[in-house]
Amino acid sequence: GAVVSQHPSRVICKSGTSVKIECRSLDFQATTMFWYRQFPKKSLMLMATSNEGSKATYEQGVEKDKFLINHASLTLSTLTVTSAHPEDSSFYICSGAPGTYEQYFGPGTRLTVT
Amino acid sequence: DAKTTQPPSMDCAEGRAANLPCNHSTISGNEYVYWYRQIHSQGPQYIIHGLKNNETNEMASLIITEDRKSSTLILPHATLRDTAVYYCIVRPRSGATNKLIFGTGTLLAVQP
Repeated sequence: GAVVSQHPSRVICKSGTSVKIECRSLDFQATTMFWYRQFPKKSLMLMATSNEGSKATYEQGVEKDKFLINHASLTLSTLTVTSAHPEDSSFYICSGAPGTYEQYFGPGTRLTVT
Repeated sequence: DAKTTQPPSMDCAEGRAANLPCNHSTISGNEYVYWYRQIHSQGPQYIIHGLKNNETNEMASLIITEDRKSSTLILPHATLRDTAVYYCIVRPRSGATNKLIFGTGTLLAVQP
């Protein structure tokens, strides 16, 4: 149990366009979902925390107008990278938390902006 | 949140036990030690967590020193599929946030 999926797994987009990444908890309800990004050979960096039905809380230095997060239901959160640039190319990973303790991670989405 | 220190990399022979150390000298009384691993180009996977007692599950054992300033993750019989980056994280078990802050981790390379 406790499976989180992400779609798409890979996406290539042109500079200036927007890209939406979906994160779904398949067999549990995620009260909270988290979004991370990871550059090559680097650790995961927490971008934002979202609770269902409320606005996301962004970590310092993360532009909320550029990385739009929507957590409309207990099983779905979306991250939209707006006006993407090559420096936004990264591995984006989401996780879902059914409660206060455990956190289950998705397989990640590799974004390449050309 | 308490910070952790891990060696950047370790090697281990296949079939042998892999012992991964973690220092968390500033850990506070309500903070647990969590271990996750990340296989290349995948999302992190939960391994184990503990407060002060040693813990064991089907994946690994966690040994926490009596003063709780350090811990060791033990993979009893490492396989090639255990090659991954292992992250040691400390965080409160309960409280206002359950977010995980990842450090740099240890890249474990299991050698055939």
